[in-house]
Amino acid sequence: QKEVEQDPGPLSVPEGAIVSLNCTYSNSAFQYFMWYRQYSRKGPELLMYTYSSGNKEDGRFTAQVDKSSKYISLFIRDSQPSDSATYLCAMTGWDGGSQGNLIFGKGTKLSVKP
Amino acid sequence: NAGVTQTPKFQVLKTGQSMTLQCAQDMNHNSMYWYRQDPGMGLRLIYYSASEGTTDKGEVPNGYNVSRLNKREFSLRLESAAPSQTSVYFCASSTSTDTQYFGPGTRLTVL
Repeated sequence: QKEVEQDPGPLSVPEGAIVSLNCTYSNSAFQYFMWYRQYSRKGPELLMYTYSSGNKEDGRFTAQVDKSSKYISLFIRDSQPSDSATYLCAMTGWDGGSQGNLIFGKGTKLSVKP
Repeated sequence: NAGVTQTPKFQVLKTGQSMTLQCAQDMNHNSMYWYRQDPGMGLRLIYYSASEGTTDKGEVPNGYNVSRLNKREFSLRLESAAPSQTSVYFCASSTSTDTQYFGPGTRLTVL
């Protein structure tokens, strides 16, 4: 079983839709969770950062972490064509060693149609 | 404040040639990383440097070497390039080992 599983999509939605992106993981030591957005032919950029369980909201974006289910989500409200990108989840459980390195999902490609 | 910069942006090599990918960050970060990204494989860690003067292997280190030249710069060297090393290479940096900031990438083709 991979440490982090993410549906690669592609996911196509109409403009204005609510988008739900998800990752599951197997390592209960993970406690820092991130979402990165990667536009075509660009580097990943940090979108959301969450520590432990709970929700975090930033504008149209909400990140949720459910550690009991080992499941994280990113919601995009009122999606825009400019949200079309690949979204990567990432996580780590800092223990002072190499286990602190980020583990990435493979990314979900999202397309928002006007 | 340029963040993380990488050179070159594109490179074509023949099998057996060598080259060095350069990375620099101006955020005073301690940790730096090299990843490769391939279709269907996601981001895979090649090498990382938790602090100046230290380097460690990641998930896919074979065929690569790294040098942490100083706190700002972290280079990746391919001694004898192989077609399997055709990929997009990203450098990243962070203050510790959680939030990482990525460069724009180098697209490498090995013929």
